[in-house]
Amino acid sequence: KNQVEQSPQSLIILEGKNCTLQCNYTVSPFSNLRWYKQDTGRGPVSLTIMTFSENTKSNGRYTATLDADTKQSSLHITASQLSDSASYICVVSARQAGTALIFGKGTTLSVSS
Amino acid sequence: DGGITQSPKYLFRKEGQNVTLSCEQNLNHDAMYWYRQDPGQGLRLIYYSQIVNDFQKGDIAEGYSVSREKKESFPLTVTSAQKNPTAFYLCASSMQGTNNEQFFGPGTRLTVL
Repeated sequence: KNQVEQSPQSLIILEGKNCTLQCNYTVSPFSNLRWYKQDTGRGPVSLTIMTFSENTKSNGRYTATLDADTKQSSLHITASQLSDSASYICVVSARQAGTALIFGKGTTLSVSS
Repeated sequence: DGGITQSPKYLFRKEGQNVTLSCEQNLNHDAMYWYRQDPGQGLRLIYYSQIVNDFQKGDIAEGYSVSREKKESFPLTVTSAQKNPTAFYLCASSMQGTNNEQFFGPGTRLTVL
């Protein structure tokens, strides 16, 4: 069964600190993996997208990694800011007909001053 | 929110009433989607449409209906048959092919009184 598991479920860090969010998936055949940021009460916004051949991709203070062999991805946030407080959702796309996006439940990050 | 609008932002409905949520996009995307988001849950697909006048059921279509008469519009009706309709509803659109990035609207929070 295609699944996406994220950890931790929630995380609290101090402003300025770094953190890493994890995503493990069992989706096959794999097409790509995206990380979305969702502010409370808003729609998700894409941060990064990675295909099978990509190991690392950065978007400002956000760096995503992908290990297609172990089917794991991480999202590293550097020098966190209060505005980073949000839910981060890992979404894996399967290479198949029809709709093929499998969503994780998300990690809720709270950055405090 | 990437050229996708949803209205209203908040919606209240009495039990037994049907209600229609609006979704409009000006991105010239062929594909549109409706998701439901509940606390602590990943996004779940309700319906999707890859082209005008055509749509398919997602994972949780029971109690919902859609239409796709125009490329720009994909309204969702929550019927009285939906047993637990209180949730956050997200509309998304993408270029043709469901593996392309989906752009999300700001969402509609529906509360059944």
